[in-house]
Amino acid sequence: QKEVEQNSGPLSVPEGAIASLNCTYSDRVSQSFFWYRQYSGKSPELIMSIYSNGDKEDGRFTAQLNKASQYVSLLIRDSQPSDSATYLCAVITQGGSEKLVFGKGTKLTVNP
Amino acid sequence: DADVTQTPRNRITKTGKRIMLECSQTKGHDRMYWYRQDPGLGLRLIYYSFDVKDINKGEISDGYSVSRQAQAKFSLSLESAIPNQTALYFCATRTAAGGTEAFFGQGTRLTVV
Repeated sequence: QKEVEQNSGPLSVPEGAIASLNCTYSDRVSQSFFWYRQYSGKSPELIMSIYSNGDKEDGRFTAQLNKASQYVSLLIRDSQPSDSATYLCAVITQGGSEKLVFGKGTKLTVNP
Repeated sequence: DADVTQTPRNRITKTGKRIMLECSQTKGHDRMYWYRQDPGLGLRLIYYSFDVKDINKGEISDGYSVSRQAQAKFSLSLESAIPNQTALYFCATRTAAGGTEAFFGQGTRLTVV
């Protein structure tokens, strides 16, 4: 089982819609979770971090964490064409040696 | 100036050549990582280091080696480059304090011909 898995995508939504991105992880004791946005050929940049169960909101972005289900999600409200990018889920694993592990990413396209 | 600097930014090399990618940081972080990115495969961890005496293999370390020369410098070497090592390589750093996020360099695009 992969340590971090994301829905494969690509995901296409119309402008103004809600985009929903999902991620599951295998290390049950992981405590730290991140969503990064990456434009083609550029470095990943942090969108959200979340450490506790529940929702965390920042502007149009909401991260949701459910540790019992080992599930993290990112909602983007009022999606804009500038949100078109690849979104990477990342987890700091605690089992054995601490690692920062990324999923394969989900490519989001927001259509005007 | 960028907090995490990778050199070179682009490199074309021949099969069998040795090549070193360098990463330096001014953030004072102790944890440093090397990842490679291929289309559709996300970021895959090559090596990571918690300090100059602590080097750990990631999921795809075969064919690569690293050196942590100082807290601020972490180099990735390809001893004998092969074409399937053509990829975008990223260095990242983070602090040990809590579960903090990683900061990335600009990336090195490596082509092995």
